[in-house]
Amino acid sequence: AQSVTQLGSHVSVSEGALVLLRCNYSSSVPPYLFWYVQYPNQGLQLLLKYTSAATLVKGINGFEAEFKKSETSFHLTKPSAHMSDAAEYFCAVSGGTASKLTFGTGTRLQVTL
Amino acid sequence: DAGVIQSPRHEVTEMGQEVTLRCKPISGHDYLFWYRQTMMRGLELLIYFNNNVPIDDSGMPEDRFSAKMPNASFSTLKIQPSEPRDSAVYFCASTGANVLTFGAGSRLTVL
Repeated sequence: AQSVTQLGSHVSVSEGALVLLRCNYSSSVPPYLFWYVQYPNQGLQLLLKYTSAATLVKGINGFEAEFKKSETSFHLTKPSAHMSDAAEYFCAVSGGTASKLTFGTGTRLQVTL
Repeated sequence: DAGVIQSPRHEVTEMGQEVTLRCKPISGHDYLFWYRQTMMRGLELLIYFNNNVPIDDSGMPEDRFSAKMPNASFSTLKIQPSEPRDSAVYFCASTGANVLTFGAGSRLTVL
């Protein structure tokens, strides 16, 4: 079985500041890990994915995440926040394929001037 | 590619009425998922299909909920009878090449 825990349901950063959204996973098999973003009144959009290749994964909009097996973590970062990054972010895990994902509870990112 | 297409985008109905939500997955995707999103429970997987066959419906909350996929390009989620606690956003998603792609969702309000 797989699960993810997202630490912090709300994160607020200033425009231009570092964004760090935390995700820890639990998986009985080598995991596939994903970050999705949801803007208001829209569906979820894939930001990036880890599928057992490079541990540092680059995604869209300047986001990246690093798979750390020793820490069972897959934290999402962006060096400089932009107002347009304000959204809800979901971490997800699957057991080796993308066929069935288990999502975290989400982290709402607020970006202030 | 138009992506995953869901209809209706918004539905307001009264308790006891039947509700049918529709989904057209991306052509060539062999998995289709129905999720429900609420403030209280977050994203819940209701059911998923592989090659039109239901694989896991353990997330379907009650017998009032049913889902079908008669062919590779169409799926429905039906609630009969609907109740106010069914109010939520229902997402359909399909997957291919290890990427799950979501539709825009159907926002259901049951009065």
